Amino acid sequence: DGGITQSPKYLFRKEGQNVTLSCEQNLNHDAMYWYRQDPGQGLRLIYYSQIVNDFQKGDIAEGYSVSREKKESFPLTVTSAQKNPTAFYLCATQDSAYSPLHFGNGTRLTVT
Amino acid sequence: KQEVTQIPAALSVPEGENLVLNCSFTDSAIYNLQWFRQDPGKGLTSLLLIQSSQREQTSGRLNASLDKSSGRSTLYIAASQPGDSATYLCAVEPVNDYKLSFGAGTTVTVRA
Repeated sequence: DGGITQSPKYLFRKEGQNVTLSCEQNLNHDAMYWYRQDPGQGLRLIYYSQIVNDFQKGDIAEGYSVSREKKESFPLTVTSAQKNPTAFYLCATQDSAYSPLHFGNGTRLTVT
Repeated sequence: KQEVTQIPAALSVPEGENLVLNCSFTDSAIYNLQWFRQDPGKGLTSLLLIQSSQREQTSGRLNASLDKSSGRSTLYIAASQPGDSATYLCAVEPVNDYKLSFGAGTTVTVRA
C-alpha cells in the first residue's frame, strides 16, 4: 500500500527539549517537504529536499533541522531554539517538478 | 512575494446547493495551481491541478477554472453533499521554484 507515514500522530514535549518527527514514504518520490500549519494560516514551508543528501531551507527554517540520508525518509527535528513550536506538522512528497503534492496525515506537536 | 487569499474563510450551505470557492493570487508568474481538500486533523488530499496554460480542469462533480492574468481561480462543486464538508485550500507553484504558496483555506459545511 503506497503512501506517506507520519509518526507519531500526537506528540507532547516540555519546553527546552528537542523532538524528532518521522516521515517515511514508499511512493519512490524524489522530492520531500515539511510544512507547518497554524489555525487560520496557510501552510508554511520549513525545509525541502529534492534528492538524497541535499536539502534547502524554506520560509521558516529557524529552530528546525532535517536530514535526508535515504530516499524514503525525511525526519524533522524541532529544536529548543524554535520559539513557538506548538503546531500541526505536515510532510509531503512530489514525484517530479510541477506534479501534485501528496501529504501524510500529520503530527500534532504540543509543547508546554 | 506571492500572496494567496481565499475568501470567505468559512461558509455553510444546504445539501444540494452548488458550491463556489474562490482563490486569488498576486503574482501571475505561476506554473500551476492546485486545489486540495483537508478533513479535520488530517493531511491534504489533492483534488485538481491546473497548468498555467489551461483554463479549467474537471473531475466528477468538481470543476476548477483559472484566470492567470487576473490572478484568480474558482473551484465549483456541483450538488453539494454532507460528505463535501471539509476545508478546501488552493496553492500556486511558481515557475522555476519548488516552493508552493498556500491560501489559508475555506471551511465548508454542507447541512443535511
